[in-house]
Amino acid sequence: NAGVTQTPKFRILKIGQSMTLQCAQDMNHNYMYWYRQDPGMGLKLIYYSVGAGITDKGEVPNGYNVSRSTTEDFPLRLELAAPSQTSVYFCASRKAGAIHQETQYFGPGTRLLVL
Amino acid sequence: KQEVTQIPAALSVPEGENLVLNCSFTDSAIYNLQWFRQDPGKGLTSLLLIQSSQREQTSGRLNASLDKSSGRSTLYIAASQPGDSATYLCAVSYNQGGKLIFGQGTELSVKP
Repeated sequence: NAGVTQTPKFRILKIGQSMTLQCAQDMNHNYMYWYRQDPGMGLKLIYYSVGAGITDKGEVPNGYNVSRSTTEDFPLRLELAAPSQTSVYFCASRKAGAIHQETQYFGPGTRLLVL
Repeated sequence: KQEVTQIPAALSVPEGENLVLNCSFTDSAIYNLQWFRQDPGKGLTSLLLIQSSQREQTSGRLNASLDKSSGRSTLYIAASQPGDSATYLCAVSYNQGGKLIFGQGTELSVKP
């Protein structure tokens, strides 16, 4: 299994541009999450999904959109990029069900710089 | 507001020392608590997960404890090694949905 994969690894955007961060998992996990991590800080939840077709907002959703058309993929869309969206973005997934399956598995991250 | 705090922000110890990392949370009604490791420029790796009904979990040289009543968790690392150098993050969840609230992390450096 490849686990959780994210593309691209790094991207520079100009203010006002848009882009989609890709996330895919091959573990047949129901739950998927998008977090952002600012320098020296912990992670903050942007959006999450409990299954295909179901998404919900996290702590910091403004300026972002998501969709979940398949179990495997959970793309994050940035519209009208702003310098405040400069961050490292992590995608994570986990299986729903038994308590011992609640560990979240993280992708390697996408580093985004908005200038 | 539900918050998670980790102190200290950074810690440097000589190789072989036993050490404790601290995590505190403001709302004690947690569902579970996880400790993660993050290497520079990398994603997070789950180390230990403690359910709210448990007091501790162990994996190799790592032992995590949970005291819900005081809103605290500790991660104990025995016989530290340079390979343990990384940032350690604590995160709590308040329901089965898995939404995690993270602390800021403790950056650990183990000197040979």
